Amino acid sequence: AQKITQTQPGMFVQEKEAVTLDCTYDTSDPSYGLFWYKQPSSGEMIFLIYQGSYDQQNATEGRYSLNFQKARKSANLVISASQLGDSAMYFCAMRDDFSGNTPLVFGKGTRLSVIA
Amino acid sequence: DGGITQSPKYLFRKEGQNVTLSCEQNLNHDAMYWYRQDPGQGLRLIYYSQIVNDFQKGDIAEGYSVSREKKESFPLTVTSAQKNPTAFYLCASSISGKTNTEAFFGQGTRLTVV
Repeated sequence: AQKITQTQPGMFVQEKEAVTLDCTYDTSDPSYGLFWYKQPSSGEMIFLIYQGSYDQQNATEGRYSLNFQKARKSANLVISASQLGDSAMYFCAMRDDFSGNTPLVFGKGTRLSVIA
Repeated sequence: DGGITQSPKYLFRKEGQNVTLSCEQNLNHDAMYWYRQDPGQGLRLIYYSQIVNDFQKGDIAEGYSVSREKKESFPLTVTSAQKNPTAFYLCASSISGKTNTEAFFGQGTRLTVV
């Protein structure tokens, strides 16, 4: 069964506007971690932000924030004040083993295009 | 600088040949991973290793083999049994035993079968 679902294959956003990239997940484990990565056209994977299942507050890292709705099993990435350099593929990932000994499982990604 | 090095960046292989992709890390991470990326498929796990001399199959291990003789190295061999090997291959590593630590990735190897 697919654990991570990203329903938006592609998104467009105007420069300086905010954009939300959707991610829903499926796990029966009460302890898990959620990650977002950015992949520019060069192919490297850049870690953006992390949210733990027991974290009381939504994670934030600079212009990135995570809208974590545990009951709905969603972990949407919000990018504020979009920049042209934000154009890339974005992947949501999960590790649902609190021992930390299982690999990350990735969604299929969303391609974000920022328009000037 | 600490990091993960994958080589080569581009690799061409003739059908029926085995080829080995290199992955080296100097982050002192116990866990290492190999993912395959195809357009529209996201990253799919091929193999992973939590400790030297031990590794586990991922979701798409058929046609691939790995070894983990040293902590720093986790080479991936794409064998002739892999039916559709053309893809982008990413190696990653992470600290073992902590769920809140991210995986660090190499620059990737783009394999093309000609």
